[in-house]
Amino acid sequence: KQEVTQIPAALSVPEGENLVLNCSFTDSAIYNLQWFRQDPGKGLTSLLLIQSSQREQTSGRLNASLDKSSGRSTLYIAASQPGDSATYLCAVRSMNYGGSQGNLIFGKGTKLSVKP
Amino acid sequence: DAGITQSPRHKVTETGTPVTLRCHQTENHRYMYWYRQDPGHGLRLIHYSYGVKDTDKGEVSDGYSVSRSKTEDFLLTLESATSSQTSVYFCATLYQRDSTDTQYFGPGTRLTVL
Repeated sequence: KQEVTQIPAALSVPEGENLVLNCSFTDSAIYNLQWFRQDPGKGLTSLLLIQSSQREQTSGRLNASLDKSSGRSTLYIAASQPGDSATYLCAVRSMNYGGSQGNLIFGKGTKLSVKP
Repeated sequence: DAGITQSPRHKVTETGTPVTLRCHQTENHRYMYWYRQDPGHGLRLIHYSYGVKDTDKGEVSDGYSVSRSKTEDFLLTLESATSSQTSVYFCATLYQRDSTDTQYFGPGTRLTVL
C-alpha cells in the first residue's frame, strides 16, 4: 500500500525565513508527485507537479524536488510571507495503486504559519 | 481553476436521510473524482469516473454511490446518511496535456449529519 507522510504537521516561522516542507512515500513506483496549497475553508490549489523523470520544478519563490529512489520530496519556500500561511499537501500518483486512472494518494499536510 | 463548481456548498441533514452532492465542470475533462477530507486522515478517494457511465470505487466507497450521465456532471449520493459521513467533500477533475496531467479541485461541500 502506498503511504504518504508529511513532516512536520505544523510549522511556524517569522516572515522572511526560507523554509522546507518534507514529503515521503513508501512505494517509489509513481507517475508524478504534486504539491497543493489549501487555505482554510477552501479547496486545493495546485502549486507544482513533478513528473517521475524530473528532479525538480520551480515556480516563483517555490521549488519542489523529487528523489524517487529514496521516496522523498521537498517543497522549498524562499523569503516566506504572511500570505504563504496555509496547509500544504503532497500527493502522489502511484503506479501500483490506482494511478493509471489518475487517482492521487495524499499526505495529511503541513500547516504553515508565517508571522509578520 | 478548471471551472469546477460544487453544490450545495453547505448542508446539514439528519441520520438516515438520502443526500446527493453535485459536481459540475465546464472543461470537458474525462476523469472526475470524489474525495472526502477529515482531520487526521487527509483526503481519501471515494469514487471516480473515467467517462460517462464509467465509474469505479476508491479507498472509502462504502455507503456511497455515484453516477455520471453527462461528461460535465458527477453526482455523489449517500443513500442513508450516517454521522460518520460528516466531512468536507471535494470533487476533482484531471487535466491531461501532452505527457503531463494535473488534478484540479472544486471548492468543497461541507456536510454535517446530525
